[in-house]
Amino acid sequence: GENVEQHPSTLSVQEGDSAVIKCTYSDSASNYFPWYKQELGKRPQLIIDIRSNVGEKKDQRIAVTLNKTAKHFSLHITETQPEDSAVYFCAASKGGNKLTFGTGTQLKVEL
Amino acid sequence: DGGITQSPKYLFRKEGQNVTLSCEQNLNHDAMYWYRQDPGQGLRLIYYSQIVNDFQKGDIAEGYSVSREKKESFPLTVTSAQKNPTAFYLCASSTKAGTGNTEAFFGQGTRLTVV
Repeated sequence: GENVEQHPSTLSVQEGDSAVIKCTYSDSASNYFPWYKQELGKRPQLIIDIRSNVGEKKDQRIAVTLNKTAKHFSLHITETQPEDSAVYFCAASKGGNKLTFGTGTQLKVEL
Repeated sequence: DGGITQSPKYLFRKEGQNVTLSCEQNLNHDAMYWYRQDPGQGLRLIYYSQIVNDFQKGDIAEGYSVSREKKESFPLTVTSAQKNPTAFYLCASSTKAGTGNTEAFFGQGTRLTVV
């Protein structure tokens, strides 16, 4: 089955700096890669996703890049703010099937 | 907070007892999922169902059981065979596989503690 690895497990940045979280996947047939944000005590919520037919997608301060050859994808957050502090999960699936999640990254944005 | 509802929010169970966690959605989604969340281990899939009256085991199904008698409901039973049931359980739903819109919507979770 699919295996998703996520790094780093914790990340601290200064407010205004950029943050990058990286994930690798094992199944070359995977074609859908979402990122979820989970604030403390709350449910995970989708923040951005990318499909295998594109290499990059942006939404304001958030961007995701995908390298199908290397089987890795990354989340980029620019101009970080304190409200960006949360746990971020990457995931992968194929054909809209079940999602396999990474182990999560605890992002802390320091003032 | 609408769409997918889990209950209860907190649940305490004595060792040797079975407990059932509720998950209901009104999003008309075909697919429903149960994940277990432990610190440092992300979200691990327990069971999933893509259509009524059908479900498949996920990566950590041992000690759990599910049913899918209605499209809106996907209850999870944690049995006494589950050796380490204390965890945070998340239910999710999404539109049918292959439709192109695969965003998963999560419930608010149930924290189960064995006492």
